[in-house]
Amino acid sequence: DAKTTQPPSMDCAEGRAANLPCNHSTISGNEYVYWYRQIHSQGPQYIIHGLKNNETNEMASLIITEDRKSSTLILPHATLRDTAVYYCIVRPMKTGANNLFFGTGTRLTVIP
Amino acid sequence: ETGVTQTPRHLVMGMTNKKSLKCEQHLGHNAMYWYKQSAKKPLELMFVYNFKEQTENNSVPSRFSPECPNSSHLFLHLHTLQPEDSALYLCASSQGILTGEQYFGPGTRLTVT
Repeated sequence: DAKTTQPPSMDCAEGRAANLPCNHSTISGNEYVYWYRQIHSQGPQYIIHGLKNNETNEMASLIITEDRKSSTLILPHATLRDTAVYYCIVRPMKTGANNLFFGTGTRLTVIP
Repeated sequence: ETGVTQTPRHLVMGMTNKKSLKCEQHLGHNAMYWYKQSAKKPLELMFVYNFKEQTENNSVPSRFSPECPNSSHLFLHLHTLQPEDSALYLCASSQGILTGEQYFGPGTRLTVT
């Protein structure tokens, strides 16, 4: 699986957009980009995923660069409840073993 | 509420005890997983079950014994654990093992004394 690089921590003011970057320069053509988050002492929560097109759902937007070497997760209006560790994961489109390597993620702190 | 429940939420056990962790998913999924999350470490995948059959065991010590009686239930039987096994144990499920969209339970916080 491709490796990802994320900043260890970020702050964001409440109500502003939180833009979380992820570098995955070794991603291959059959690998998706997944984003999860983990609020303190809870299980990880799936947010969104994409292959090459930008994606949006009720939680967030995912912007993937044209060369697919990096992506940005956007939380449009961050709230205090969005304070969590955010994980960017790349994973092959189809695989016999459903491995998700969570890495160390980005700790996002939303500030009042 | 993710549709995946875990019991107990907290467990303290001695090294000679035997205990079991339970996971139940109400999502109609066919794949279930056990993960371990130790302090300051990334999540570690332990076991994968697909249609009740174990498809992956990531070199987990035999003192951890999984059981999957049906697609909705997953157990992790624990015996003669070590203090370093203290961690958050997370259960997850997914529609199948080909999708990366997994739904996690709240976890069981295990302390081995």
